[in-house]
Amino acid sequence: GQSLEQPSEVTAVEGAIVQINCTYQTSGFYGLSWYQQHDGGAPTFLSYNGLDGLEETGRFSSFLSRSDSYGYLLLQELQMKDSASYFCAVRDRGYNKLIFGAGTRLAVHP
Amino acid sequence: NAGVTQTPKFQVLKTGQSMTLQCAQDMNHNSMYWYRQDPGMGLRLIYYSASEGTTDKGEVPNGYNVSRLNKREFSLRLESAAPSQTSVYFCASSRAGNSYEQYFGPGTRLTVT
Repeated sequence: GQSLEQPSEVTAVEGAIVQINCTYQTSGFYGLSWYQQHDGGAPTFLSYNGLDGLEETGRFSSFLSRSDSYGYLLLQELQMKDSASYFCAVRDRGYNKLIFGAGTRLAVHP
Repeated sequence: NAGVTQTPKFQVLKTGQSMTLQCAQDMNHNSMYWYRQDPGMGLRLIYYSASEGTTDKGEVPNGYNVSRLNKREFSLRLESAAPSQTSVYFCASSRAGNSYEQYFGPGTRLTVT
């Protein structure tokens, strides 16, 4: 079967750095995606790691270690607008689809 | 470009009623998806269409049917709605082979009483 685990909630202050971890178990693996979703909104794509290592996109970075079945999303210089839910999703051997984790709710405080 | 559009935005059904959720994209994407989102459970894939003319079951297909009408449109039908189908439904699309980067519609909030 397939399973993804990520913390349900994370709290941080403005200007800080936060890391959201994701561990996965899948029957096959092609890559790990991250999505952001504000309350009442639609998920939006943030980043994708198909290979091991770090991908950087502005204030956001994502890391993957396939040998550890582990990845994380790193958010730097946190802003109030970063308060949202963040989902990791694996692209499994089906290749044409994603399986999403339950999401991590990030609350950024002044 | 409108991206991915969904209709209706809100819907209330009685148990046993049927309805079709509509989805269209104007990005010339080959692949389209239907998800449901329940509190604390993330997004669960109902059905997907890797390309025009093909559809496949996802994690939770029971109680639903889909139609890939053409490259732009992918509809989701509830034949006999049940309270367990109360959820927010999202449609998404992606380029062929790029399922990792999906573009989502605004969602349909469905309540079944």
